[in-house]
Amino acid sequence: NAGVTQTPKFQVLKTGQSMTLQCAQDMNHNSMYWYRQDPGMGLRLIYYSASEGTTDKGEVPNGYNVSRLNKREFSLRLESAAPSQTSVYFCASSQNGEGYGYTFGSGTRLTVV
Amino acid sequence: GENVEQHPSTLSVQEGDSAVIKCTYSDSASNYFPWYKQELGKRPQLIIDIRSNVGEKKDQRIAVTLNKTAKHFSLHITETQPEDSAVYFCAASGLGGTYKYIFGTGTRLKVLA
Repeated sequence: NAGVTQTPKFQVLKTGQSMTLQCAQDMNHNSMYWYRQDPGMGLRLIYYSASEGTTDKGEVPNGYNVSRLNKREFSLRLESAAPSQTSVYFCASSQNGEGYGYTFGSGTRLTVV
Repeated sequence: GENVEQHPSTLSVQEGDSAVIKCTYSDSASNYFPWYKQELGKRPQLIIDIRSNVGEKKDQRIAVTLNKTAKHFSLHITETQPEDSAVYFCAASGLGGTYKYIFGTGTRLKVLA
């Protein structure tokens, strides 16, 4: 039982390049999330998906797109990377409904130069 | 918009002393309040949570209290140990009691041996 798996763990991009961060969970959770973590700013929600086939914007969606490929997988795409997107990205999942904590993936450290 | 404020941003305590971290939230409809611990270079992990119909919850050396009237909740760690050193995040469920959580900005706890 792997929980939430993210790939890659590290990535360096040049400004303007694109990439997709992958996330998969094996806990049969309906909800999945993408957060970014920056020093002093905590965890900020980029996008989330309450169920397969639905996605919604979070606090900081600009510059990102997402795809909920199926119940297990939720990917985050940067179409044209900018230095401001240098961050640690965490994927998480949870059961639907109120009162369920998140299970986080191990994170992707992204540097845009 | 929805907001969660967390204080202090850093906290140093002597081993064996208690530590208290406080959070306030803005959305009166929030009804679930989890706390996460993040060790250096690791993913955030859920350590304790509380629902709005409960005023206090304990789990061994950690406890969480909730004051719905004042819209604040606190994490209490007693008999601190060096392995308690980490960053702690509070969170509150989002608008309308959804499973989308708003996180505080984190507290870096250092337990001095």
